[in-house]
Amino acid sequence: DVKVTQSSRYLVKRTGEKVFLECVQDMDHENMFWYRQDPGLGLRLIYFSYDVKMKEKGDIPEGYSVSREKKERFSLILESASTNQTSMYLCASSTRDRKNTGELFFGEGSRLTVL
Amino acid sequence: TQLLEQSPQFLSIQEGENLTVYCNSSSVFSSLQWYRQEPGEGPVLLVTVVTGGEVKKLKRLTFQFGDARKDSSLHITAAQPGDTGLYLCAEVRNNNDMRFGAGTRLTVKP
Repeated sequence: DVKVTQSSRYLVKRTGEKVFLECVQDMDHENMFWYRQDPGLGLRLIYFSYDVKMKEKGDIPEGYSVSREKKERFSLILESASTNQTSMYLCASSTRDRKNTGELFFGEGSRLTVL
Repeated sequence: TQLLEQSPQFLSIQEGENLTVYCNSSSVFSSLQWYRQEPGEGPVLLVTVVTGGEVKKLKRLTFQFGDARKDSSLHITAAQPGDTGLYLCAEVRNNNDMRFGAGTRLTVKP
């Protein structure tokens, strides 16, 4: 069974703390993504990566950074967490598809609360 | 920036009823996907539509892509409690990254 695994389902952090969200996929996918999901706003793309050590900003990258040192792992980093970063974070992966019809495979999500 | 608008935002119906939810854009989609997200889970792909006017069926679910490729609909026949979830449409952009709508939250009561 194909799988995208996010390291933490629930996290509670304090304002100013550094937060790491880890994501691992076992499908040998080239593409990996981080989204945040908020009620009424849908999924918004934070960062994505097409290959190891490559990263691209999505629609809302401010306050976040990412790391992709290995093909299967994509980490999201909040350098100094703020309360407006309280959200559900979803990691996804996909294979490279030149026809642009690729399926996204999602993890179960990490619900982060920043106090 | 192209916006994806989904309607209705919420829908609560009884088991056995039919329903339609919509996804509209201010400009043309290259291709469009529908996902369903159940509580506590990540979204799962239901279908991809590429060609204007395309109709795809998945058991009781019928997906239509508008002729002008600016809108899509999802029709569910004889809804069941297992259909409960958040239905998301997504535009496939370059390099397979997606832009998602806000979703329609469907509740089917037994």
